[in-house]
Amino acid sequence: SQKIEQNSEALNIQEGKTATLTCNYTNYSPAYLQWYRQDPGRGPVFLLLIRENEKEKRKERLKVTFDTTLKQSLFHITASQPADSATYLCARASGNTPLVFGKGTRLSVIA
Amino acid sequence: DAGITQSPRHKVTETGTPVTLRCHQTENHRYMYWYRQDPGHGLRLIHYSYGVKDTDKGEVSDGYSVSRSKTEDFLLTLESATSSQTSVYFCAARPGTGVLGVTNEKLFFGSGTQLSVL
Repeated sequence: SQKIEQNSEALNIQEGKTATLTCNYTNYSPAYLQWYRQDPGRGPVFLLLIRENEKEKRKERLKVTFDTTLKQSLFHITASQPADSATYLCARASGNTPLVFGKGTRLSVIA
Repeated sequence: DAGITQSPRHKVTETGTPVTLRCHQTENHRYMYWYRQDPGHGLRLIHYSYGVKDTDKGEVSDGYSVSRSKTEDFLLTLESATSSQTSVYFCAARPGTGVLGVTNEKLFFGSGTQLSVL
C-alpha cells in the first residue's frame, strides 16, 4: 500500500537551532509533497509544496528538500523560535486523488 | 481557515444515536473532504466530494455517510454512533480549478469538531 511516514512522533530542539523533520514515502513516486502546520485545537494550515523534480523549495525560514533516491523529504526550520512549536504534517499529492497524510511530528522549540 | 466553518465545535452523544456534522464554505470550492484525526493515526480520509451530489469513499468510510446538496455545504452523518467514532473531525476544501488537481492546490481546513461518543 502507499504510505507516507513521519518517523519522529516528537522532536525537541533549542531555540535558534535548525529543526529538521523527515517524511518518507514507500511503494510509489509521490510526484508532489505538501507540508502543513497544525496548532493545538486548530486545523492544519498549508506551508509549502515541492514537486518531485525540484530539489529544494524555500519560504522565509522554511526549507523543504526532496530526494527521490532516498524516497525522502526533509523539512527544515532555521533559527527556530518557540512560536514554531506545532505539529507538522507531510502529505502526498497526486492528481485529483485526495491527499494522504503522515501522522505528523510534534515540534517543541525550547527557549 | 479561508471561510470554512464546522458545526458544532464540540458534541457529546450516546452510542447508537445519529449524529450529523456540518461543514460550510464561502469560497465556492469544488472539492470538499472529511477527515478524522486520532492519536497514533494522524489524519484519515472518511469521504470526499468533487461536486454537488458527487461523493466518494475514503480510507475509513464504514459507519459514515455524506451528502452535498449545495456547493457550500458538506454534511457528515454517523447513522448510529459508536465509541470508536470518538475523534476530532476536520473538514477541508480546495478550489478544484487547477489542471494538475491537488498536486498544486492546497487544502483549506476548518477548525474541527471534537466528537465524544459515550
